[in-house]
Amino acid sequence: GQQLNQSPQSMFIQEGEDVSMNCTSSSIFNTWLWYKQDPGEGPVLLIALYKAGELTSNGRLTAQFGITRKDSFLNISASIPSDVGIYFCAGQRRGSTLGRLYFGRGTQLTVWP
Amino acid sequence: GAGVSQSPRYKVAKRGQDVALRCDPISGHVSLFWYQQALGQGPEFLTYFQNEAQLDKSGLPSDRFFAERPEGSVSTLKIQRTQQEDSAVYLCASSLSGLNTGELFFGEGSRLTVL
Repeated sequence: GQQLNQSPQSMFIQEGEDVSMNCTSSSIFNTWLWYKQDPGEGPVLLIALYKAGELTSNGRLTAQFGITRKDSFLNISASIPSDVGIYFCAGQRRGSTLGRLYFGRGTQLTVWP
Repeated sequence: GAGVSQSPRYKVAKRGQDVALRCDPISGHVSLFWYQQALGQGPEFLTYFQNEAQLDKSGLPSDRFFAERPEGSVSTLKIQRTQQEDSAVYLCASSLSGLNTGELFFGEGSRLTVL
C-alpha cells in the first residue's frame, strides 16, 4: 500500500496563482522526487532531491527535501493552464531496493483561465 | 522511438484468461521496472531488472504474475488466470544506469480491464 501521505488530494485554482503541495511519511527516505502525470500518459519527472534540506528549482517549480527526511513539498508559482495534471511525490526508502519508488496518491491540479 | 514503448495500450480480458504485456525500454538503459497503477492511486512497484537479472520481485501480488527480460532489453509481464482485481494500468519504466537514483522514464502504460 501507499506509504506516503500526499496533500491536498485536489486543488482548483485560477491562472496566475501559486500552488503548494506536500508529502509526508513515517519512514526515512534517501531520495524525494516529484512527478507529473497527464491523462493517458506515464509520469514524467519534474524534480529530484537527494540531500536533507536541499531546495531545488526547475523554472516555476521549487521543491524541498525536509530536514527530518520524512517530508517534501512542491511549489508552483504563477500557474498556467498547462500545469493541469496529477502531481505525485515519490521516494526511495532507506534500506529498500535502489530505484524502487514509493508513490503518494497524487494531487489533482485544475487551473481555471 | 526515443522513449519507453509499451504494448498493447489497451487490453480487455475475460476473467481467467492469460495476458502478456510488452515493454521496450530506452535503448541502452540498464534498469527496468514494472509498476501497477490502480484507478485514482499512485503507481506501486512490482518488479525490477538490472540487465537480464530480476533483482527484486517482491512487489508481484501473487504467483499468477511473472516477468522476464531474457536478453536485457525488452521485457514481458505475464498475468495468468486474470482476476477482476488485476484491472489497472501497468507502467514500465527504465533508467540508464544501475545506480538507480529514482529518475525513471515511464512508458504510457498498458491499461488492462478484466471482465
